[in-house]
Amino acid sequence: DVQLLESGGGLVQPGGSLTLSCAASGFTFRVHGMIWVRQAPGKGLEWLSYIRRSSSGAATFSADSVKGRFTISRDDSKNTLYLHMDSLRAEDTAVYFCVRKQSQVFTMDVWGQGTTVTVSS
Amino acid sequence: QSALTQPRSVSGSPGQSVTISCTGTSSDVGGYNYVSWYQQHPGKAPRIMIYDVSKRPSGVPDRFSGSKSGNTASLTISGLQAEDEAEYYCSSYAGTYTWVFGGGTKLTVL
Repeated sequence: DVQLLESGGGLVQPGGSLTLSCAASGFTFRVHGMIWVRQAPGKGLEWLSYIRRSSSGAATFSADSVKGRFTISRDDSKNTLYLHMDSLRAEDTAVYFCVRKQSQVFTMDVWGQGTTVTVSS
Repeated sequence: QSALTQPRSVSGSPGQSVTISCTGTSSDVGGYNYVSWYQQHPGKAPRIMIYDVSKRPSGVPDRFSGSKSGNTASLTISGLQAEDEAEYYCSSYAGTYTWVFGGGTKLTVL
């Protein structure tokens, strides 16, 4: 079964940092670009960051709302995607989803169940 | 990176058809044939229902169909069933490895 399993969420104070992980299984992780999407409580989905596959240099791209604060990265040897978040704000409180980009097309096809991040003092 | 525009809510009776619109710009919906639709039940992860404007992944009923005209994409659900009640989100590729979502549409099956 193709599966994405996020972890690392929790309660963090404003201004703090947190790193999320996403363990992939059931598919060849290294050939897929990967994405982070979040959903604030009662709100819609927001695309955050994308990382290309390593053979394409693992280039990264981020939404303006998190550029300079969030860093996406990957470790193909561990089949794991990461999101390092700095300077966290209350408005970063959300469920964070790890998503697979379908090969050769620009479609987000497989989603993890999400991990919850709460930024509060 | 402005969100795509969807109606806040739509409703229909079992067996009827409903259509959800998703309006963007020539920089996203109108510029690429990479519109997707996702179904999300409360507390669950989104599930892909339509990709590349009108393609259906395996396992998605053929009651779900997608289309696009200019800067507006549409999701049509025919033969509404109770289990179709959910939030629906559109998404479009927006160039240079960026994506944008719609604000979501709550579908109520009466």
